[in-house]
Amino acid sequence: EADIYQTPRYLVIGTGKKITLECSQTMGHDKMYWYQQDPGMELHLIHYSYGVNSTEKGDLSSESTVSRIRTEHFPLTLESARPSHTSQYLCASSEEAGAITEAFFGQGTRLTVV
Amino acid sequence: AQSVTQLDSQVPVFEEAPVELRCNYSSSVSVYLFWYVQYPNQGLQLLLKYLSGSTLVKGINGFEAEFNKSQTSFHLRKPSVHISDTAEYFCAVSDHVSGTYKYIFGTGTRLKVLA
Repeated sequence: EADIYQTPRYLVIGTGKKITLECSQTMGHDKMYWYQQDPGMELHLIHYSYGVNSTEKGDLSSESTVSRIRTEHFPLTLESARPSHTSQYLCASSEEAGAITEAFFGQGTRLTVV
Repeated sequence: AQSVTQLDSQVPVFEEAPVELRCNYSSSVSVYLFWYVQYPNQGLQLLLKYLSGSTLVKGINGFEAEFNKSQTSFHLRKPSVHISDTAEYFCAVSDHVSGTYKYIFGTGTRLKVLA
């Protein structure tokens, strides 16, 4: 069954460490997204991509960076983690640009920076 | 820019009672609307979507929603809730007007079903 996968599910890491959150999808979707979800549950778009070698900043400014070298893979990197980065990060994908369909979400990564 | 407003942050309701979760959107052009559910420590799961056609949309788990263009609303309803419906519910709109095709989410409504 086609799906979207995020690893790790939970991560506790020290301040200053570099981390990469993985996101992969098997649906061949062109569009992919990263959302940051507050403890109060609101979702904020931090990055999105229309396809390979396409990345855009979202509505919420973030110190993280993303890359899209392969269609199926959209990792998010924090060069130096800080406690303010503690949050839940959700990855999503949807079909080709120009088509309006629903977004499919991964299970999320809950990041805690101590 | 398009936006979505969920008027209720929390909705408590007794088991087997009906429930309505409210969602209003801001757009004067055609819209594409979604309702998602999120269970604790999980991602978002699509409940239903309105892309075109019938204004009454039926989704999974007995939920339905009605698209009302004149009131710019897309309220979610269920005639009889179960304990298992306790979760966070998000309304979303596809921002196709700007050409970015981003999904704009409301702030969420926490549905708490009481025994």
